[in-house]
Amino acid sequence: EAGVAQSPRYKIIEKRQSVAFWCNPISGHATLYWYQQILGQGPKLLIQFQNNGVVDDSQLPKDRFSAERLKGVDSTLKIQPAKLEDSAVYLCASSFLAGGPYNEQFFGPGTRLTVL
Amino acid sequence: GQQVMQIPQYQHVQEGEDFTTYCNSSTTLSNIQWYKQRPGGHPVFLIQLVKSGEVKKQKRLTFQFGEAKKNSSLHITATQTTDVGTYFCAGHSGNTPLVFGKGTRLSVIA
Repeated sequence: EAGVAQSPRYKIIEKRQSVAFWCNPISGHATLYWYQQILGQGPKLLIQFQNNGVVDDSQLPKDRFSAERLKGVDSTLKIQPAKLEDSAVYLCASSFLAGGPYNEQFFGPGTRLTVL
Repeated sequence: GQQVMQIPQYQHVQEGEDFTTYCNSSTTLSNIQWYKQRPGGHPVFLIQLVKSGEVKKQKRLTFQFGEAKKNSSLHITATQTTDVGTYFCAGHSGNTPLVFGKGTRLSVIA
């Protein structure tokens, strides 16, 4: 089966510019996650969707970050305006369910963002 | 909030030596997952542990979940160069989202 798709793979922008990332999860996976991974650290959850509803966005900097999953399938994450500290890899993951024995997460290749 | 700590941060071993990484949570966990991330790659799921005291094996990898469900370990027997990467534990506590540790970066010297 096809894995989690993300685009673009790399993005370089200047601070205060805007950027958007796209994710298409594994077919049939109801739960979609966006993570931020700063170099040398573990993934940090930004937002979790169950179908097209938000389950958790407590760590999403809502003054500059936004995300949507309008039809419960693919999703976009936007940063506007970007700051230097947003430089990181943005990982999208999906799972069949959010809990129980089927909640292993499948990660996409990530988007490496550099903010200059 | 829930915190997941891993030690050591880095480990360098000679090929053939054993390797262990430890994971500790500030809260009791519902379950714990382990992921491996190769250099330049993305995290890949290895295993999930659910029961207190659970031990699972995958070839040379042995995973343990503590009796109190607050700690876990991953042990690799006779490391190979293919084991290189960063190993993350990640835990669920109740209905909270999965929280990842900072990982242990393993280097294997041939």
